[in-house]
This record gives sequence, C-alpha cells and structure tokens, in this order.
Amino acid sequence: QVQLQESGPGLVKPSQTLSLTCTVSGGSIYSATYYWSWIRQPAGKGLEWIGRFHTSGTTNYNPSLKSRVTISVDTSKNQFSLNLSSVTAADTAVYYCARRDGYKDGFDIWGQGTMVTVSS
Amino acid sequence: QSALTQPASVSGSPGQSITISCTGTSSDVGNYKFVSWYQQHPGNAPKLMIYDVSDRPSGVSNRFSGSKSGNTASLTISGLQAEDEADYYCSSYTSISTWVFGGGTKVTVL
Repeated sequence: QVQLQESGPGLVKPSQTLSLTCTVSGGSIYSATYYWSWIRQPAGKGLEWIGRFHTSGTTNYNPSLKSRVTISVDTSKNQFSLNLSSVTAADTAVYYCARRDGYKDGFDIWGQGTMVTVSS
Repeated sequence: QSALTQPASVSGSPGQSITISCTGTSSDVGNYKFVSWYQQHPGNAPKLMIYDVSDRPSGVSNRFSGSKSGNTASLTISGLQAEDEADYYCSSYTSISTWVFGGGTKVTVL
C-alpha cells in the first residue's frame, strides 16, 4: 500500500523560499508508471496544480508559478521535493503531494497535506 | 491557464440524483479523455472518484458516474446519501502538458 507524507516548515517568511518534501513509502518513486505532483489549496478555496516530476527527468509546471517553482527527486531516499521561491501571503495554503498513474489519468494517491503559512 | 468552471453548489434530497458540470475549453476538457473527479470532506485530502472521464477506481461506489460532451464534463451521483455531502472537484489535462482543476462544487444533502 503506497503512502505519501509531506514534511517541512509550517511557517515561512515573505520573500523566502518554501521547501517541502514528500516521502513515498510502500513503493518505489522510480517506477516509470507514475508521475509525482504537488497541489495546493488555500483555506476555503479550490485546488491548484503546481507541477509534476517523472523519473525520466520530465518536469512540468503551472505557468502562473513556473518562474518560482522547482520540483526535484531524491531517489536514494524515495522522496521528491518542492521549492517555491519569493513567497508572499498568497502562497499560504495546504500543500499536498500526489501520485498520478500514467495509464489512468487521475491523482490516485494523496498525502494528508501540510499547512504552510507565509508571515513575518 | 484558467480554472475549469463548476457550479458553486448543488443540493438534493436523499435518494435523488444530482449532476455537477465542469466546463473547460478545447485546450483541455474538449480535447482529451483525461478528466478526473475528486471528493473532499472537510479536513481531508481529496479522494479520486472518477478517472479518464468515466472510469471508477476500485472501491468507489457505482452510484458515481462520469461523462463528457464537448467542452463540458459531468459527474452524476445517483441515490444520494448523507455521506456524499462534500466538496467535489474536476480536473483535466491541458494542451500545454499541465493539469487544471475546477473551482469546486459543494454538494448538500437536504
């Protein structure tokens, strides 16, 4: 049973970089079948796709965040990470990591989410 | 990329059927069979209910069904139950190799 778990600071100062890690357990992040995404949700609002990574090296980002986002993977730790630079209060949200099956288009496994607040 | 358009709220009585629409463009919903739907209860992570427009993951009730016509996808919940009260989001693959979500629909069971 694959599980995802987000971790990282719950508070980030404005203009700094938000860094989160998603640890994959019960399966390998290196499977060619799956894509690994970050998705966020401001309080009381909808979901926003941030970007995705595939172990082939392919990355895709939301155009509205592309200039500030980097998603990378640490296969030795079975983890993938999100870096979001120059954050503002608008980046305050619950951040989820999620898996997408390359053969079935849907985010089938999600982490529990981690709340990140941007404030001085 | 713009968010897909969903109604803010839909309601129904127990046992009834409701349908949630999700309208996009020819650059997303209209051009791909890659539409999915998610159920989210308060405080929980979203749960995949429908993938590839109309397929159900194992374990999801057959009361949930999906369809698509042109640029609009739909999620139908039949035999509405109290446990179906939640927020629902649609998502689509896009022509620039990204994904976009709808704004979400709050389903209320009267």
